[in-house]
Amino acid sequence: DAKTTQPTSMDCAEGRAANLPCNHSTISGNEYVYWYRQIHSQGPQYIIHGLKNNETNEMASLIITEDRKSSTLILPHATLRDTAVYYCIVRGASGGSYIPTFGRGTSLIVHP
Amino acid sequence: DGGITQSPKYLFRKEGQNVTLSCEQNLNHDAMYWYRQDPGQGLRLIYYSQIVNDFQKGDIAEGYSVSREKKESFPLTVTSAQKNPTAFYLCASSRQGFMGEQFFGPGTRLTVL
Repeated sequence: DAKTTQPTSMDCAEGRAANLPCNHSTISGNEYVYWYRQIHSQGPQYIIHGLKNNETNEMASLIITEDRKSSTLILPHATLRDTAVYYCIVRGASGGSYIPTFGRGTSLIVHP
Repeated sequence: DGGITQSPKYLFRKEGQNVTLSCEQNLNHDAMYWYRQDPGQGLRLIYYSQIVNDFQKGDIAEGYSVSREKKESFPLTVTSAQKNPTAFYLCASSRQGFMGEQFFGPGTRLTVL
């Protein structure tokens, strides 16, 4: 599975857009980009995923560059409850199994 | 409600004792996973199972054991051989052979005294 690189921490003002970058320069053609977030002392929560087209759901938008080597998760109107650690992972096949690998993620702090 | 449950939320054990963490899901998922998380760290994969009666070691399987006798259950035993067992343990499930998301349980915080 391809590895990802994310900034250790970011901050954002409440009500503004939070843009979280992720580099995955070794991603292969059949690997998807997934985003999860983890609020303190809870299990991670799925946010969104995509292959090569931009995706949007009720939680966020995912922008994937044309070469697929990086992506950005966008929280359009961040709230205090969006303060969490955000994980960008890529998932591919390894012997027929999908084994996601979570790094340290980006700690997003939303301030008033 | 469909979901994945872990119990207990907090667990205390004396050093040298084996302890089993429970993980149950009613999502009809084939695949289940166990992760360990230490303070300020990401998630590290301990074991995973893609189907009943089959499981594979992850990155840090030493000192742990699992079983998968039923589709909905994937208990993790932390043995006395695990040198530093105090951590936050997370169980997850996903559909087999499908690029779907993982669903995580609320976690069990194990403290070994």
